[in-house]
Amino acid sequence: ILNVEQSPQSLHVQEGDSTNFTCSFPSSNFYALHWYRWETAKSPEALFVMTLNGDEKKKGRISATLNTKEGYSYLYIKGSQPEDSATYLCALGSGANNLFFGTGTRLTVIP
Amino acid sequence: DGGITQSPKYLFRKEGQNVTLSCEQNLNHDAMYWYRQDPGQGLRLIYYSQIVNDFQKGDIAEGYSVSREKKESFPLTVTSAQKNPTAFYLCASSIMGTGGGNEQFFGPGTRLTVL
Repeated sequence: ILNVEQSPQSLHVQEGDSTNFTCSFPSSNFYALHWYRWETAKSPEALFVMTLNGDEKKKGRISATLNTKEGYSYLYIKGSQPEDSATYLCALGSGANNLFFGTGTRLTVIP
Repeated sequence: DGGITQSPKYLFRKEGQNVTLSCEQNLNHDAMYWYRQDPGQGLRLIYYSQIVNDFQKGDIAEGYSVSREKKESFPLTVTSAQKNPTAFYLCASSIMGTGGGNEQFFGPGTRLTVL
């Protein structure tokens, strides 16, 4: 079992603010890093899958970076909107056919 | 519409009874997974299957059993041996050869409560 840590556990931001959260993971045995968004009463949906050190991915106002050498990934949301309110999950793939999930960051965007 | 369905959404069972949770996908994915979520914890892998008639234990397989007789179906049975079965259960699938590198597609989940 690999330890994946996410911080903060939760945060509230005002509409229009930009925000970011962190995922930390053991840098050995790295294969892939996933970010998922999990809205209340819905299924988790994949945002990004990153495999290379230095990867940067972007989808609209959301972007992510990856540092496999130091074992962290950042998720950024620019100009937060109420519809961004969700739990953001980070998961580590280590080469075996399973993922190790962090506990998530719960984001609330206040209108 | 392609996707993953889980049924039922809510399930209640009496202590000592076995119960089976359904998971069906029409995404033509080879790999399927069962996760459990408890408050304050990340999703934990119970079982996964990469191909029909084959499956492997995850991190918390004790007290659970699965079958994979068809590509599109991966039912999970919570047996009476599972000491703390009350939890939220998520099913997922992905294309083959995840190795952690392919995104997983999730169902809506089943909340199991043991009375």
